[in-house]
Amino acid sequence: EAGVAQSPRYKIIEKRQSVAFWCNPISGHATLYWYQQILGQGPKLLIQFQNNGVVDDSQLPKDRFSAERLKGVDSTLKIQPAKLEDSAVYLCASSLTGQGGEKLFFGSGTQLSVL
Amino acid sequence: GQQVMQIPQYQHVQEGEDFTTYCNSSTTLSNIQWYKQRPGGHPVFLIQLVKSGEVKKQKRLTFQFGEAKKNSSLHITATQTTDVGTYFCAGRRGSARQLTFGSGTQLTVLP
Repeated sequence: EAGVAQSPRYKIIEKRQSVAFWCNPISGHATLYWYQQILGQGPKLLIQFQNNGVVDDSQLPKDRFSAERLKGVDSTLKIQPAKLEDSAVYLCASSLTGQGGEKLFFGSGTQLSVL
Repeated sequence: GQQVMQIPQYQHVQEGEDFTTYCNSSTTLSNIQWYKQRPGGHPVFLIQLVKSGEVKKQKRLTFQFGEAKKNSSLHITATQTTDVGTYFCAGRRGSARQLTFGSGTQLTVLP
């Protein structure tokens, strides 16, 4: 079974530039999550999709971050403009239905460095 | 908002020694999950605890959920170098869909 696919693996940009990350969840998984993991910290949920609808985006900095999941399958996360404090690993995860108690399957992440 | 704290932040042990990490929530949890993240890797699900006072074992790993469902622990017996990584607890409050991760405990096992 294929896992969660993410690209790119690494990205280096200068502050004020824009960047986009892509995620393809496990086939058949209805729920998709974007997490931000700053070095030395636990993953922090940015946004959660159920099919193509947003379930929770309470911690997404909406002035600069945006995400979409068209057609309820793959998803993109965009940052525009980037700030130094956005340097982190951006993890995409998926789960089968999104019901409480499900385990999450994570992708390998995109490591973003903002200079 | 919900906060999940983990201690210690770092732990160095000699191979063969035991290791324990503790997870504490500011609110009662409906369930708690544990994940392991190898250096340079992504979090991988280990186990989920749901019932008050629940204890589950996976070979050398023992997981406990507190009676009040506000704390949990992971104990590794006789650590091996393959146990190296960061262990995260993650909890859900009530019917909330959001999973809140703790800050993690980074385990180093010295051969």
